Amino acid sequence: IQMTQSPSSLSASVGDRVTITCRASQSIGIYVNWYQQKPGKAPNLLMYTASTLQSGVPSRFSGSGSGTDFTLTISSLQPEDFATYYCQQSYSTPSFGQGTKVEI
Amino acid sequence: EVQLVESGGGLVQPGGSLRLSCAASGFTFTTYWMHWVRRGPGKGLVFVARINSDGSKTEYGDSVKGRVSVSRDNAKNTLFLQMNSVTAEDTAVYYCTSGKDGGSSSIFDYWGQGTLVTVSS
Repeated sequence: IQMTQSPSSLSASVGDRVTITCRASQSIGIYVNWYQQKPGKAPNLLMYTASTLQSGVPSRFSGSGSGTDFTLTISSLQPEDFATYYCQQSYSTPSFGQGTKVEI
Repeated sequence: EVQLVESGGGLVQPGGSLRLSCAASGFTFTTYWMHWVRRGPGKGLVFVARINSDGSKTEYGDSVKGRVSVSRDNAKNTLFLQMNSVTAEDTAVYYCTSGKDGGSSSIFDYWGQGTLVTVSS
């Protein structure tokens, strides 16, 4: 299953609302997860099964979608949110989107 | 506390072999599927391989199929990735990761720090 993220990069300011989209090549129900990765660090799980916030993740992060179209939204971008974000499907053999780099 | 600690990375020549290890602690390793994910320089995350809890089932990503083998030693709480016939495309940081809440989950909630594999002559 191919996961296509958009945009591949974006520039934003602190306080902005940011939305990242992910499209699956076939219907995958709600089996999408989102990760944040900062340079030199391992990925960090933010959201799973499309809209469930992982424990410890700030509530400014939210997720939605089902079937083939999914979104990750950051309601008010904070300085520590500048990173690369990946969607991943866990419906079948895992696969990731190509990533979205959120830059200042 | 869950810990995943990878080792075994390094410089390897094209066509060579390498064995990565991941030492697990802080959870019941024997009940979890385990996974390998990599990130190449300037590239995104790519699923490499996974193995079920008793080691009887394995699955591989298309980019490595036929060249890598995943295994585990449940007595030592250790996961392995044997890499053969490596190419420059295999240059990456390799992470081991466990699935959330155990079982066959591929929601990756714990990650190791990664081990760097560099393929170069």
